Amino acid sequence: KAGVTQTPRYLIKTRGQQVTLSCSPISGHRSVSWYQQTPGQGLQFLFEYFSETQRNKGNFPGRFSGRQFSNSRSEMNVSTLELGDSALYLCASSSIHSGANVLTFGAGSRLTVL
Amino acid sequence: QKEVEQDPGPLSVPEGAIVSLNCTYSNSAFQYFMWYRQYSRKGPELLMYTYSSGNKEDGRFTAQVDKSSKYISLFIRDSQPSDSATYLCAMSPHQIIQGAQKLVFGQGTRLTINP
Repeated sequence: KAGVTQTPRYLIKTRGQQVTLSCSPISGHRSVSWYQQTPGQGLQFLFEYFSETQRNKGNFPGRFSGRQFSNSRSEMNVSTLELGDSALYLCASSSIHSGANVLTFGAGSRLTVL
Repeated sequence: QKEVEQDPGPLSVPEGAIVSLNCTYSNSAFQYFMWYRQYSRKGPELLMYTYSSGNKEDGRFTAQVDKSSKYISLFIRDSQPSDSATYLCAMSPHQIIQGAQKLVFGQGTRLTINP
């Protein structure tokens, strides 16, 4: 069974640009979550989609947005990039194990903003 | 104050040692507790999860939850160099409708097992 696939793995942008990251969840998983990971803040929740609907959103500015397609693939977009947006962006698809929401993460997209 | 506190380390121990990793939390609504392991340049992978208080063992790994103290632990017995990674605790408030709740993560503890 293929895991969670994220593209691109690495990218470099400059301040003010925008970026789109892509995530393909595990086949059959309908929920996709996005997290930002930085050395200072750790893993922080961005948003979660289920059946093309955003069900949960973290405390990030409106420059961060996302969407999910009918095939459960998801994209997130960051506009007007700032230096502080440099981070590892992780996508996870989820399944339920005995009531627990088990996240399976992709390898991440490492964004560097110059 | 963060909802989940975890000492970032780094923690360095000799091979074969027993490792204890810990998290404290402030939200008494948390009921699901998880430990993830993250190798360099990889995404986190689930090691174990527990529901409410108690212990759970899986091979060399034991997870403990003490809800009265709002304290969770992960013990690694007979530690191996391949256990060198960052360990993240994560929690969620209540039984999940698929995908409806976010996980709250600790900052992660970087662990090195020296041969």
